[in-house]
Amino acid sequence: GDSVTQMEGPVTLSEEAFLTINCTYTATGYPSLFWYVQYPGEGLQLLLKATKADDKGSNKGFEATYRKETTSFHLEKGSVQVSDSAVYFCALSHGPSGTYKYIFGTGTRLKVLA
Amino acid sequence: DTGVSQNPRHKITKRGQNVTFRCDPISEHNRLYWYRQTLGQGPEFLTYFQNEAQLEKSRLLSDRFSAERPKGSFSTLEIQRTEQGDSAMYLCASSDSGGSSYNEQFFGPGTRLTVL
Repeated sequence: GDSVTQMEGPVTLSEEAFLTINCTYTATGYPSLFWYVQYPGEGLQLLLKATKADDKGSNKGFEATYRKETTSFHLEKGSVQVSDSAVYFCALSHGPSGTYKYIFGTGTRLKVLA
Repeated sequence: DTGVSQNPRHKITKRGQNVTFRCDPISEHNRLYWYRQTLGQGPEFLTYFQNEAQLEKSRLLSDRFSAERPKGSFSTLEIQRTEQGDSAMYLCASSDSGGSSYNEQFFGPGTRLTVL
């Protein structure tokens, strides 16, 4: 079945450091890919998305590119801030071409130190 | 209506008791989803409604679990004869069925269930 694999956390960085959180997936067909973020005490929020190969999703300085050849959707940010401390989840969905459910990775906790 | 709401936010119950959670989706959304999230894990899909029809159920949803969405608006998730393994965060999400090819789901804050 479909699955999403994320790098283990926690990831601890100093402010202004470069961030990469790896995400790879196994799926049939062409799923849509998402990054969700969960700040402490809050619900999941969509951070960015990509719906087809080579699409780049971006938001709030975060970027991720849908790489079909490597089945990856790595999250990057050039300069992290303390306010980016949260848990990040990679997810896929087949949407209209199949079931609408999301399949999530296990999440990666990011801690940014001032 | 600014988002998905869930009630209660926290529920503590004793093993063997029944519990019911409620989810109110974003008003114009016709799709509604339930997920379960345990500590250190990502959310796992439980079930999905389009309007009042329950279109998919996960194998995780044993016969002790039942979900309804009677008028295509709010939804309830009931767990009968709770077990300690049911302790988790139960998340509700909703989405619309617009013409976009992706399916952005909006999540509620969750109901944290503790079974003693």
